[in-house]
Amino acid sequence: NAGVTQTPKFQVLKTGQSMTLQCAQDMNHEYMSWYRQDPGMGLRLIHYSVGAGITDQGEVPNGYNVSRSTTEDFPLRLLSAAPSQTSVYFCASSGVGNYGYTFGSGTRLTVV
Amino acid sequence: LAKTTQPISMDSYEGQEVNITCSHNNIATNDYITWYQQFPSQGPRFIIQGYKTKVTNEVASLFIPADRKSSTLSLPRVSLSDTAVYYCLVGVRSGAGSYQLTFGKGTKLSVIP
Repeated sequence: NAGVTQTPKFQVLKTGQSMTLQCAQDMNHEYMSWYRQDPGMGLRLIHYSVGAGITDQGEVPNGYNVSRSTTEDFPLRLLSAAPSQTSVYFCASSGVGNYGYTFGSGTRLTVV
Repeated sequence: LAKTTQPISMDSYEGQEVNITCSHNNIATNDYITWYQQFPSQGPRFIIQGYKTKVTNEVASLFIPADRKSSTLSLPRVSLSDTAVYYCLVGVRSGAGSYQLTFGKGTKLSVIP
């Protein structure tokens, strides 16, 4: 089915470990974004991309890296996990002129 | 970034029409207004988007007055399955031409049998 696929769905990390959250979309969308959602909060933008090879920082970029080598993939890297990064992470994509974003089902990350 | 203000929560009985109002006093000329719905443990889902006047689709209607400083999402005849958090967003064009979405805390709608 067409859409945004995030893996893994759940992950537990120890403080200081690194990992990559994967995001892939098959809709040929130019725009892709990563958000985090903490309990009782709305979503906060981490990083976004307007096309392959182009990325930019959002509201809360510290501790995260992204790259966009292809249109389809937009991985999010945690360089050295901290308990403050315990959250649910959502990836989203949108096409040019389509201001509605399609969101993935999320990755629930716990850092202990 | 344009800030939005919406009620934290609302209750409604099944079968009623629900109107959720969002304030966005600093909306820019190029901004669109978009509403999303989020169920627990799921990502947000696009509901409707508009620029001015009225937009209607199979799920909801969006009313935007001429000054565009507020908007109202209207859900006709809600059911229990409409219980969710509803987010009002204002799209901001970045220098590269993308739209960054700024989510507030949303409105938690509880539909009562």
